[in-house]
Amino acid sequence: AAGVIQSPRHLIKEKRETATLKCYPIPRHDTVYWYQQGPGQDPQFLISFYEKMQSDKGSIPDRFSAQQFSDYHSELNMSSLELGDSALYFCASSLRDRGWAGELFFGEGSRLTVL
Amino acid sequence: LAKTTQPISMDSYEGQEVNITCSHNNIATNDYITWYQQFPSQGPRFIIQGYKTKVTNEVASLFIPADRKSSTLSLPRVSLSDTAVYYCLVGDGYSGAGSYQLTFGKGTKLSVIP
Repeated sequence: AAGVIQSPRHLIKEKRETATLKCYPIPRHDTVYWYQQGPGQDPQFLISFYEKMQSDKGSIPDRFSAQQFSDYHSELNMSSLELGDSALYFCASSLRDRGWAGELFFGEGSRLTVL
Repeated sequence: LAKTTQPISMDSYEGQEVNITCSHNNIATNDYITWYQQFPSQGPRFIIQGYKTKVTNEVASLFIPADRKSSTLSLPRVSLSDTAVYYCLVGDGYSGAGSYQLTFGKGTKLSVIP
């Protein structure tokens, strides 16, 4: 079965650079979520989209932005990168009703390392 | 804001049944209880979900008492491959816009011993 696809899987950037992560949800899923997981930390909710509109916002820094496109894929843009942004970034998708009930499908994550 | 409390870690021998209990005293009426499993450097994986009473699937069982202030994930006959972090989540409330801000708390690190 198709899963959530994230790219790139690994990314190395210097401080103050920008980075873009991409997420391709499971076909027919209408909701996308972004999470950040630092080393030894629990996943932190960043932002979500439903039908290409921003739905919820969590602890996403102002330096980060995201959007969902007409084909439902989503991109997380991160600027002025800091060392503390080094983390695993997970994308998840769901059908609206199942997401409301908590059933999300996660990708394998994109590991960002900021040097 | 619904919060959850779980044991930080648990150890179990292979072949035993493991029960992980989660407290969620402030759970809202509309909130579901969901459990996820996460292996190192992998995305969380949905295990089971319930609202009340008992739910069972091919992987686990979920027991929820009538007051819904806690829930217990039961893993039958664990194997080494069940070593992972297990998260109990309850909703922060349906946002009304087709989304659901699922908040991860501190999970339980389960170590299965040969």
